[in-house]
Amino acid sequence: GESVGLHLPTLSVQEGDNSIINCAYSNSASDYFIWYKQESGKGPQFIIDIRSNMDKRQGQRVTVLLNKTVKHLSLQIAATQPGDSAVYFCAENFGNEKLTFGTGTRLTIIP
Amino acid sequence: DAGVTQSPTHLIKTRGQHVTLRCSPISGHKSVSWYQQVLGQGPQFIFQYYEKEERGRGNFPDRFSARQFPNYSSELNVNALLLGDSALYLCASSTGTSGRGTDTQYFGPGTRLTVL
Repeated sequence: GESVGLHLPTLSVQEGDNSIINCAYSNSASDYFIWYKQESGKGPQFIIDIRSNMDKRQGQRVTVLLNKTVKHLSLQIAATQPGDSAVYFCAENFGNEKLTFGTGTRLTIIP
Repeated sequence: DAGVTQSPTHLIKTRGQHVTLRCSPISGHKSVSWYQQVLGQGPQFIFQYYEKEERGRGNFPDRFSARQFPNYSSELNVNALLLGDSALYLCASSTGTSGRGTDTQYFGPGTRLTVL
């Protein structure tokens, strides 16, 4: 069935380095993908989204890449800061008002 | 502008009781969705409402119900609570205008429900 999964459950990155968080999806009909950041005790915070007719989208310090051929999504965070430490979720939607989330990747920034 | 607000922040109930959780969407948003997030997992979709009508329902038992009011706020009700209902319940709002689920959903801080 459809699923959204992450390659790595945890990721540790040196402060100032770039972070790359990966996500695989299996439903080729998905047409909308979103990355959320969730800090401890808080709700998910919208980071960036991308439609299926795009390959790349950039925001402030973040870039999302979509490879529809291999059904892969990635979030790149430039010059990571201590405040980037959180759990990152990718979510997909295929036009039915329901977001399907992966299990998340915990990003830890090493000072 | 205020974001999505939820109440209460925390709640402790015992098995068999019922609970009502409340959500106020971002001003101007007409769609509200509810998610359950068990510790260590991603959120799971429960319901989505738009203009007071149910637009989508996830794989949850009938003990879970919801409604949306004319001011677009929403309530999630859970009856006959089980230990497994312990979770963070998240509310998200969006404009709902796309009709295809591609409106950005903004989440509230959640209500932490503990069932003893």
